Amino acid sequence: EAQVTQNPRYLITVTGKKLTVTCSQNMNHEYMSWYRQDPGLGLRQIYYSMNVEVTDKGDVPEGYKVSRKEKRNFPLILESPSPNQTSLYFCASSPSRGRGVYTEAFFGQGTRLTVV
Amino acid sequence: AQTVTQSQPEMSVQEAETVTLSCTYDTSESNYYLFWYKQPPSRQMILVIRQEAYKQQNATENRFSVNFQKAAKSFSLKISDSQLGDTAMYFCAFISDSGAGSYQLTFGKGTKLSVIP
Repeated sequence: EAQVTQNPRYLITVTGKKLTVTCSQNMNHEYMSWYRQDPGLGLRQIYYSMNVEVTDKGDVPEGYKVSRKEKRNFPLILESPSPNQTSLYFCASSPSRGRGVYTEAFFGQGTRLTVV
Repeated sequence: AQTVTQSQPEMSVQEAETVTLSCTYDTSESNYYLFWYKQPPSRQMILVIRQEAYKQQNATENRFSVNFQKAAKSFSLKISDSQLGDTAMYFCAFISDSGAGSYQLTFGKGTKLSVIP
């Protein structure tokens, strides 16, 4: 089954304790991205990657890191989480239509993160 | 920068009735894609329908259809014969077809739809 898999789905952590949310896709998509969803704000892009070893900042990158060592995996790293990073996080991947054009995003199940 | 506006934070509809969710966007691009995503209480983001800007014909997927007005930069979603399972948050999203490796899927803030039995 074609899918994007995120883990964990729920996470409660304390301020300052490093954590990683994993994301893996089995659709051979070049493009992967991370979003956070907050009430009244919709989804905002954190980071994206257009291919292995190619990553770039989205709209809200502060406090986050990513890496893309393999095509299928795109982990999100919070080096020192803070309470304002409490949110619902989504990983997504997108197929390419060539010419560097990407279309709809296929989303993982989401990760509910609480930082206390 | 592109923006997507959903002016209805919440809506409700009676089961079996028809409801229309509004979305407007702002862009200087001539070609792009528009999407509606559904997010039920399970939180999963599900693609409902997509529209390519160069296609004049409005997209349709079973009970879901869009009214795409390119000149007005409007992209509304019509749900016919509403069902209880349609209760969800609906997000409108936009992506340009500018190529050259540029990419950002921009979302509206969402419309919470409740289907009433």
